[in-house]
Amino acid sequence: DTGVSQDPRHKITKRGQNVTFRCDPISEHNRLYWYRQTLGQGPEFLTYFQNEAQLEKSRLLSDRFSAERPKGSFSTLEIQRTEQGDSAMYLCASSLVSDTYNEQFFGPGTRLTVL
Amino acid sequence: GQNIDQPTEMTATEGAIVQINCTYQTSGFNGLFWYQQHAGEAPTFLSYNVLDGLEEKGRFSSFLSRSKGYSYLLLKELQMKDSASYLCAVSDSNYQLIWGAGTKLIIKP
Repeated sequence: DTGVSQDPRHKITKRGQNVTFRCDPISEHNRLYWYRQTLGQGPEFLTYFQNEAQLEKSRLLSDRFSAERPKGSFSTLEIQRTEQGDSAMYLCASSLVSDTYNEQFFGPGTRLTVL
Repeated sequence: GQNIDQPTEMTATEGAIVQINCTYQTSGFNGLFWYQQHAGEAPTFLSYNVLDGLEEKGRFSSFLSRSKGYSYLLLKELQMKDSASYLCAVSDSNYQLIWGAGTKLIIKP
């Protein structure tokens, strides 16, 4: 399978714990995005990487969130000291930016439940 | 600011036609995407428009008017499996996707 993969698919944690999610993009894609989505809303942008460089972070992203993409391949998203408001679906997407096109391919998502 | 507007919910009958509208205001424009998202699943790509006009793909068509900041997704011969949310997203000057909240489409027999 050459699509975007995410791990784990589901995570249940207690408030205050740290969690880490992994995303493996399509291998030739140079951009990787993280989104958060809650019920009835569109994806909310969190951050993105072009190769290994993190180019933008949402102003809504608190200091408890950090993302890395070492070597420009897979990426991890860590949430420290989780809060109940962090419960959401975390989506990863990758794309190959060209002059005219930037279709994003999504992974299946990681559903986080904070108790 | 950047803004994407689309109706929250629409209902249609199996076999009929439905049009989902999207209006946008963004900093720069590098195309408009429509994605389909079934409940609990990730969005999947449906269509892309960068020039004015209609793009047809089987039962689905998408239209764009850049001067009006307007697009629509047209679904024909509706099937029960088309029940899903339909997300409009605009690629801005940095090739970032600005997303609408999605339109939940309910198909009735």
